[in-house]
Amino acid sequence: LAKTTQPISMDSYEGQEVNITCSHNNIATNDYITWYQQFPSQGPRFIIQGYKTKVTNEVASLFIPADRKSSTLSLPRVSLSDTAVYYCLVVSRGDKIIFGKGTRLHILP
Amino acid sequence: EAGVTQFPSHSVIEKGQTVTLRCDPISGHDNLYWYRRVMGKEIKFLLHFVKESKQDESGMPNNRFLAERTGGTYSTLKVQPAELEDSGVYFCASSIDAGLDNEQFFGPGTRLTVL
Repeated sequence: LAKTTQPISMDSYEGQEVNITCSHNNIATNDYITWYQQFPSQGPRFIIQGYKTKVTNEVASLFIPADRKSSTLSLPRVSLSDTAVYYCLVVSRGDKIIFGKGTRLHILP
Repeated sequence: EAGVTQFPSHSVIEKGQTVTLRCDPISGHDNLYWYRRVMGKEIKFLLHFVKESKQDESGMPNNRFLAERTGGTYSTLKVQPAELEDSGVYFCASSIDAGLDNEQFFGPGTRLTVL
């Protein structure tokens, strides 16, 4: 499984756009990039998944360059409730999820 | 629709005792996963059920841990006898498909404290 590298923590202010970049240099052809969010005392929650280019849903956007060696999760206009740990994962069909340390995002008022 | 539920939410036991954790997946989800996070570490995969069969149990730490999913519905994870290093949060997740659209829905976790 491709190992991922992402910032340990980030701070941002309410209303700003937050971009979290993840490196996955050893990503394989069949791997997808998936992001999960985890609030304190809760289990992780799926946010978004993509293979290449750009994916957008009601929560976030995911930008993946052509070489797929990195990806950027973009959260538009964050609020205090977006304070959480964000995990970047590279998953293959039928394979288990390997969690890294994640990025601890702290939104300030 | 109810999400993944886990019971109990918190368990405190003494070293050497037995504890059984329960997970109820989302109805219709054939895939069920167990993970755990011990203090200061990442969330680690334990095992994966497809219906009642163990698809992958490579993450089970040792033979003190026994997971079952009789009937392919809810699952239990028994720790016997519990050791201090077993303390942590145990998460259960379920998914419809183990393929690429493998969105796993996680439960709130069971916090296990072994004294």
